[in-house]
Amino acid sequence: GENVEQHPSTLSVQEGDSAVIKCTYSDSASNYFPWYKQELGKGPQLIIDIRSNVGEKKDQRIAVTLNKTAKHFSLHITETQPEDSAVYFCAASPGAQKLVFGQGTRLTINP
Amino acid sequence: DVKVTQSSRYLVKRTGEKVFLECVQDMDHENMFWYRQDPGLGLRLIYFSYDVKMKEKGDIPEGYSVSREKKERFSLILESASTNQTSMYLCAGHQGNEKLFFGSGTQLSVL
Repeated sequence: GENVEQHPSTLSVQEGDSAVIKCTYSDSASNYFPWYKQELGKGPQLIIDIRSNVGEKKDQRIAVTLNKTAKHFSLHITETQPEDSAVYFCAASPGAQKLVFGQGTRLTINP
Repeated sequence: DVKVTQSSRYLVKRTGEKVFLECVQDMDHENMFWYRQDPGLGLRLIYFSYDVKMKEKGDIPEGYSVSREKKERFSLILESASTNQTSMYLCAGHQGNEKLFFGSGTQLSVL
């Protein structure tokens, strides 16, 4: 079945700098790749997603890139702010409307 | 957006007890999911359901069962709780595609 690996497990950046989180997946049939943000005491919330027919997608300070050949995708956050501090999860959909999640990255923005 | 409500934020149970975790969604969508979240392991799929009285095993169904008597309600059942089932449990609903909406989670402690 699908396996998703996410790195790093923790990431600390200065406010205003950029943050990058990377994921790899194993199943070439996966065609949908969302990113979720989980704040303390809350459930994960979808922040951006990309489908396999697109190489890059951007939404204000957040962007996701996908390399289907290498089976990896990345989340890029620019001009980081304190409210970006959270746990981020990547996921891949191997079909049947299911998602397989990565291990999560705890992002800390230092003022 | 789909609103997903989990009835309990925290639960403390004894080993061997039968435990019910309740989840309700407010939209008329068929697909509902139960995940457990553990540090370093991400979110792992326990069970899911595409329709009333229908259920499918996820990646880690052992020790769990589910009930879907009404479309809006999806319950997770621990037949005989064990300490290794101490975890955060997340229910999610589907908006007709892969975009999952999560509840706030139930932190279960089994003593």
